[in-house]
Amino acid sequence: SQKIEQNSEALNIQEGKTATLTCNYTNYSPAYLQWYRQDPGRGPVFLLLIRENEKEKRKERLKVTFDTTLKQSLFHITASQPADSATYLCALGSSGGYQKVTFGTGTKLQVIP
Amino acid sequence: GAVVSQHPSRVICKSGTSVKIECRSLDFQATTMFWYRQFPKQSLMLMATSNEGSKATYEQGVEKDKFLINHASLTLSTLTVTSAHPEDSSFYICSARQLQETQYFGPGTRLLVL
Repeated sequence: SQKIEQNSEALNIQEGKTATLTCNYTNYSPAYLQWYRQDPGRGPVFLLLIRENEKEKRKERLKVTFDTTLKQSLFHITASQPADSATYLCALGSSGGYQKVTFGTGTKLQVIP
Repeated sequence: GAVVSQHPSRVICKSGTSVKIECRSLDFQATTMFWYRQFPKQSLMLMATSNEGSKATYEQGVEKDKFLINHASLTLSTLTVTSAHPEDSSFYICSARQLQETQYFGPGTRLLVL
């Protein structure tokens, strides 16, 4: 069965450092992968989308890589700030008319001042 | 742009009553809307997918007679939890998608059934 793994343990990082979050998947060939941010008691907020034929995507301090051979995506936040503290979800999407998206459980990031 | 609202944000009801949750895309027309539920420290679980004007597609294990979904227009979808029980208490989140892959999520509705 399809499985998406994100580090269930919280990631604590010092302010100013680069945070790196991992998303691994098995039994899945996604057409695209997305990263979302979710704050407690709130709905997820879309951050970045990367397609299967793309290796890397950047947006301001965010960078996403997508390795379909390793079946892995890395999500980087450079110059991290306390305001970046949240849970980050990866989501894999299939192609075609239905385009179902499956979410990982998320990794909680805590940026320490 | 791409704002999705949900109402109510929080609801407490007695066991056996029905609760309706509204999901609106405020600044775009959503061809598809999704309903999720999320338990504490768990992932988003897709309940159903709805396209405007057609019946919702429910995920395996989700009772369609209990979770009624109506996607009446390109900007509004409703989820009605019928005869709610304490085990239905959860965080319900909707999302809306236009034509591209990106889903835009509402702020969520916290349901507590006593």
